[in-house]
Amino acid sequence: SQTIHQWPATLVQPVGSPLSLECTVEGTSNPNLYWYRQAAGRGLQLLFYSVGIGQISSEVPQNLSASRPQDRQFILSSKKLLLSDSGFYLCAWSVIGGNEQFFGPGTRLTVL
Amino acid sequence: GENVEQHPSTLSVQEGDSAVIKCTYSDSASNYFPWYKQELGKGPQLIIDIRSNVGEKKDQRIAVTLNKTAKHFSLHITETQPEDSAVYFCAQRGSSGSARQLTFGSGTQLTVLP
Repeated sequence: SQTIHQWPATLVQPVGSPLSLECTVEGTSNPNLYWYRQAAGRGLQLLFYSVGIGQISSEVPQNLSASRPQDRQFILSSKKLLLSDSGFYLCAWSVIGGNEQFFGPGTRLTVL
Repeated sequence: GENVEQHPSTLSVQEGDSAVIKCTYSDSASNYFPWYKQELGKGPQLIIDIRSNVGEKKDQRIAVTLNKTAKHFSLHITETQPEDSAVYFCAQRGSSGSARQLTFGSGTQLTVLP
């Protein structure tokens, strides 16, 4: 069966510090991968998606970047965090050509 | 671009009663409509989905209906239980893009009162 992991689960960072969140998927090959941000416990905003290694598409301009160094690894980064980067970050995967997206447990980021 | 509106934003029901959450969408070419349940501090979990060639789908106490003409779809939960309390999100898959992005509604906080 497939599983998706995210870490860390929670993170408190000062403004201006760097960020690296990691997501890995097990039990599948060549998945589509997604990063979402959820603010105020509600709507999910798609930040990035990837259809393959090294292929990243950005949905909204922002202070964040994403990378996919391996088939089942997706990383969300920032060089300098802003207060507005606080939120709940969710990674998700889907099979190529599939409809369903499956979410990880999320990372709660607080920028102080 | 695609847009999904979800109502209500909060819903309280008595245990055993039914709950209905509605979503409308703008992309007439959308053909996939999932519903997710998110418990506090966790990632959303897919609970049911429907494709555009079906008008209704049911899974035990949960059902989803789709009206493509009116461009709206609804989640129905019958015989609600306290463990149904969570935030529910509707979504639709856009007709553009190569990665089958989902556009989500803003969520409904469902509270089932014992």
